[in-house]
Amino acid sequence: AQKVTQAQTEISVVEKEDVTLDCVYETRDTTYYLFWYKQPPSGELVFLIRRNSFDEQNEISGRYSWNFQKSTSSFNFTITASQVVDSAVYFCALSEDPNTGGFKTIFGAGTRLFVKA
Amino acid sequence: DGGITQSPKYLFRKEGQNVTLSCEQNLNHDAMYWYRQDPGQGLRLIYYSQIVNDFQKGDIAEGYSVSREKKESFPLTVTSAQKNPTAFYLCASTEGLAGGTDTQYFGPGTRLTVL
Repeated sequence: AQKVTQAQTEISVVEKEDVTLDCVYETRDTTYYLFWYKQPPSGELVFLIRRNSFDEQNEISGRYSWNFQKSTSSFNFTITASQVVDSAVYFCALSEDPNTGGFKTIFGAGTRLFVKA
Repeated sequence: DGGITQSPKYLFRKEGQNVTLSCEQNLNHDAMYWYRQDPGQGLRLIYYSQIVNDFQKGDIAEGYSVSREKKESFPLTVTSAQKNPTAFYLCASTEGLAGGTDTQYFGPGTRLTVL
């Protein structure tokens, strides 16, 4: 069965601290896609990254970095030197290959990040 | 600017009433989706549409209905049969027909409250 677990419900850090948001997934497919979205207080989800199951390279984009490890079924997200503007709910999502099982995207429950000044 | 618009931003409904949430996109995307978000929970799929005049039920379609008469529009009706409709509703779209493997672009959402 397809499942995404974000065990951290809320995280609170002080500005400039580094913070890692955990995401663990379950899937039977060998081809799948993982996503991270940010939901600021305005409500609109903003796309951050998309990664397919065959690309295990870590990615860095400015202060953001992602660590994809198939061996542990994890796709963790790290914010370096956090800022108040990073305060939001972050969702991890998993999509399976539609050719094998039809369209299905599962979102984790989200992690609410508070960054205090 | 291309994007997705949803209206209204806030909606109040009396019990027993049907209400329709609007979703419009000018991204020329083929597929559109409706999600429901409850506090502390992830997004759950209500309906999705890959092409005009065609749509499929998601995980929680009961009490909801949709239409897709135009490529750019995908309105959601919350019917009186939906027992607990108070939630935040998000509309999304993807470029191709690949379904969930494409990046989804989201609208700003509609917060529905049943009085």
